[in-house]
Amino acid sequence: DGGITQSPKYLFRKEGQNVTLSCEQNLNHDAMYWYRQDPGQGLRLIYYSQIVNDFQKGDIAEGYSVSREKKESFPLTVTSAQKNPTAFYLCASSRTGFGNEQFFGPGTRLTVL
Amino acid sequence: ELKVEQNPLFLSMQEGKNYTIYCNYSTTSDRLYWYRQDPGKSLESLFVLLSNGAVKQEGRLMASLDTKARLSTLHITAAVHDLSATYFCAVGPANSGGSNYKLTFGKGTLLTVNP
Repeated sequence: DGGITQSPKYLFRKEGQNVTLSCEQNLNHDAMYWYRQDPGQGLRLIYYSQIVNDFQKGDIAEGYSVSREKKESFPLTVTSAQKNPTAFYLCASSRTGFGNEQFFGPGTRLTVL
Repeated sequence: ELKVEQNPLFLSMQEGKNYTIYCNYSTTSDRLYWYRQDPGKSLESLFVLLSNGAVKQEGRLMASLDTKARLSTLHITAAVHDLSATYFCAVGPANSGGSNYKLTFGKGTLLTVNP
């Protein structure tokens, strides 16, 4: 079955640590995205990539980094520079081209201890 | 800057009743999406609306788009408990071509359907 997987489902981080969230898709989508969701809020775009080896900052990129070495994979690193990283992180992918909707993975819940 | 406002943010309704969720946006758009999110889960795509006057229906849910009024509605008919979830609209600015990244999400409407 085609879909998007994210791991881990839950992640606990100590202050000052970097952590990497995994996102893999087998939908053959060119575009991939990372969002952050805080309680009672909509989604905010962290980074996006429309093609391999290229990515762009979204609205809240500070304290995060990404790579896109393979079409299927778009890992997100939450660095120690991110001051308030506790949140629900969602990865999405889509075809390029007008109007194609984004499909979302199951999410990773990150908690800073 | 594109801003998206959903109303209401919280909606408690009885089974069998009808209601409408509103999604207003501030600048010209040519694409609007509705998503559903169950507690602790991911987002599921419900509707894609790409033109003025577009109407889509799936089961008890019907979505419409009025680009002139900058308004989309999600109408719920004869609600059932299984529809309890948070519903988000997401809007893309006009003339962004094939780039689908630039979506602005509303804060979501938490719908609770009571027996």
